[in-house]
Amino acid sequence: AQSVTQPDIHITVSEGASLELRCNYSYGATPYLFWYVQSPGQGLQLLLKYFSGDTLVQGIKGFEAEFKRSQSSFNLRKPSVHWSDAAEYFCAFYNFNKFYFGSGTKLNVKP
Amino acid sequence: EAGVAQSPRYKIIEKRQSVAFWCNPISGHATLYWYQQILGQGPKLLIQFQNNGVVDDSQLPKDRFSAERLKGVDSTLKIQPAKLEDSAVYLCASSSNSGRGDEQFFGPGTRLTVL
Repeated sequence: AQSVTQPDIHITVSEGASLELRCNYSYGATPYLFWYVQSPGQGLQLLLKYFSGDTLVQGIKGFEAEFKRSQSSFNLRKPSVHWSDAAEYFCAFYNFNKFYFGSGTKLNVKP
Repeated sequence: EAGVAQSPRYKIIEKRQSVAFWCNPISGHATLYWYQQILGQGPKLLIQFQNNGVVDDSQLPKDRFSAERLKGVDSTLKIQPAKLEDSAVYLCASSSNSGRGDEQFFGPGTRLTVL
């Protein structure tokens, strides 16, 4: 079965610290992969996407993600977190006209 | 460019009542999606339209949910009758076409509470 797993429900980091959010997918081939962010009361906004090619993908707001086929992972990273990054983050993949979303990771940022 | 518009933003109804949500996608976007996002979960696709045709409605509870996209532009999602478990945020999204997972642009959602 195709699925996306985000193992961390909540993460708290200090402002200025580095961040890594985990995402694992279950799919036989290389899917199209995405990270979205959802601020309270807002819709989802695309941070970055991976289709093929360079496995390190740069996105908006200083985020990047690395695709690792051997680990079926697409982890999201940011070297220095800002208080405005507090939000919920969703990993997703696309296959055969359908998007599959993970259950999300809620990020809290300590001052 | 204007984003995806949804109304209402909030709705509170009692179980067994009916409710309708409206979505206006970004101009020119052929593909429109309705998602259900239950608290603590990721969005779950309910139905996907390509222009005014249905591409996927496999997860739409058709005994109570219906959706239409007349003229291939705006769309309405209806629940009749509502159940307690329908309490969720209903997100509408649109994309320019459905090939290769083009970026979806999401509206702010409608938060439905069923009492």
